[in-house]
Amino acid sequence: DTVLTQSPALAVSPGERVTISCRASESVSTGMHWYQQKPGQQPKLLIYGASNLESGVPARFSGSGSGTDFTLTIDPVEADDTATYFCQQSWNDLTFGSGTKLEIK
Amino acid sequence: QVTLKESGPGILQPSQTLSLTCTFSGFSLSTYGMGVGWIRQPSGKGLEWLANIWWDDDKYYNPSLKNRLTISKDTSNNQAFLKITNVDTADTATYYCARYNSGFDYWGQGVMVTVSS
Repeated sequence: DTVLTQSPALAVSPGERVTISCRASESVSTGMHWYQQKPGQQPKLLIYGASNLESGVPARFSGSGSGTDFTLTIDPVEADDTATYFCQQSWNDLTFGSGTKLEIK
Repeated sequence: QVTLKESGPGILQPSQTLSLTCTFSGFSLSTYGMGVGWIRQPSGKGLEWLANIWWDDDKYYNPSLKNRLTISKDTSNNQAFLKITNVDTADTATYYCARYNSGFDYWGQGVMVTVSS
């Protein structure tokens, strides 16, 4: 299995830039996607193919990386971005990261 | 407009078989490249991918659960199905179905399933 490792939590202030990382245990090329999940809601696709912005998602969100190291960037962060962010790879079957809980101070 | 909705038994007993249905609209599972997947999430925990089925009836399963899972589809009625055999309390979770098209781009609201004796 390809294991995806994410840091468990981050706290930032509104207006700041935040980067959320995801490291894969083996190369997944650019087969990486990012989701936002707010409490009580289903996940929402933000970024697909490592760096492609899903339609309707604000341009404050961006993704980068290839191989084993990936980053989701939110710039600038807004209060409504409070959520858990999951990475998911589709290169070797499918697996999800454990999620990064983002708190806006 | 793409929508998906999951349905299931709500509660079942250990060792039983869980049968889930995903009814969708706004796309066809006969369209090239289209897929539907099942993902579950225990309360307060992360997401676990279970299985995907594709437009050409190809199927992919989570290797750690493969011997308990069966995914299928009814293209004419816009439905996808998942069966999980021999359930245990560890299978208690919210189960989501989602369309797969370069990532899971549309999700259902999820259905809660509790395994309890």
